[in-house]
Amino acid sequence: GQNIDQPTEMTATEGAIVQINCTYQTSGFNGLFWYQQHAGEAPTFLSYNVLDGLEEKGRFSSFLSRSKGYSYLLLKELQMKDSASYLCAVRDSGKSTFGDGTTLTVKP
Amino acid sequence: GAGVSQSPSNKVTEKGKDVELRCDPISGHTALYWYRQRLGQGLEFLIYFQGNSAPDKSGLPSDRFSAERTGESVSTLTIQRTQQEDSAVYLCASSLGGGGDTEAFFGQGTRLTVV
Repeated sequence: GQNIDQPTEMTATEGAIVQINCTYQTSGFNGLFWYQQHAGEAPTFLSYNVLDGLEEKGRFSSFLSRSKGYSYLLLKELQMKDSASYLCAVRDSGKSTFGDGTTLTVKP
Repeated sequence: GAGVSQSPSNKVTEKGKDVELRCDPISGHTALYWYRQRLGQGLEFLIYFQGNSAPDKSGLPSDRFSAERTGESVSTLTIQRTQQEDSAVYLCASSLGGGGDTEAFFGQGTRLTVV
């Protein structure tokens, strides 16, 4: 079966750095995605990892360790608009299985 | 179109009625996905199309749920004899292919309320 775990909620301060972790146990693996979802809106793509290591894209970075079944999303220089839910998703043979998401609240 | 389009955006229906939800994917995207999201929860996979075929229907919750896709384009998700537990946002996404780093683009969803 597919099992993806993320913390339910996190809080951080504007300008700070926050790391959102994701652990997974899936029957197959073709890559890991991170999506951002603001309340009442559709998820939007942030990053994709298929090989071990760090992928950096502006203020956002994502890390993957396939042997540990572990990924994290790192958000730097937090802004108020980063308050949202962050969804970890593992692709296996076409379909992606999503975690329940981490709700991040950025405070002034 | 410019993005994934879903209709209706909101649907209120009486328990026991059938509903049909529509998804227009991005032109040229061969892969299409349906997900369900209950309030405050993550995305629950329902079904995946590659072209007009559905290689994975494992997420459909019951035989009341069915989906089809025609012309490698529009897809419809049909829920028969709706129940209150079916109330959720139904999200459709499409991607260029089913593998690799092809990101999925989501529609705005259909908010279904069964009363």
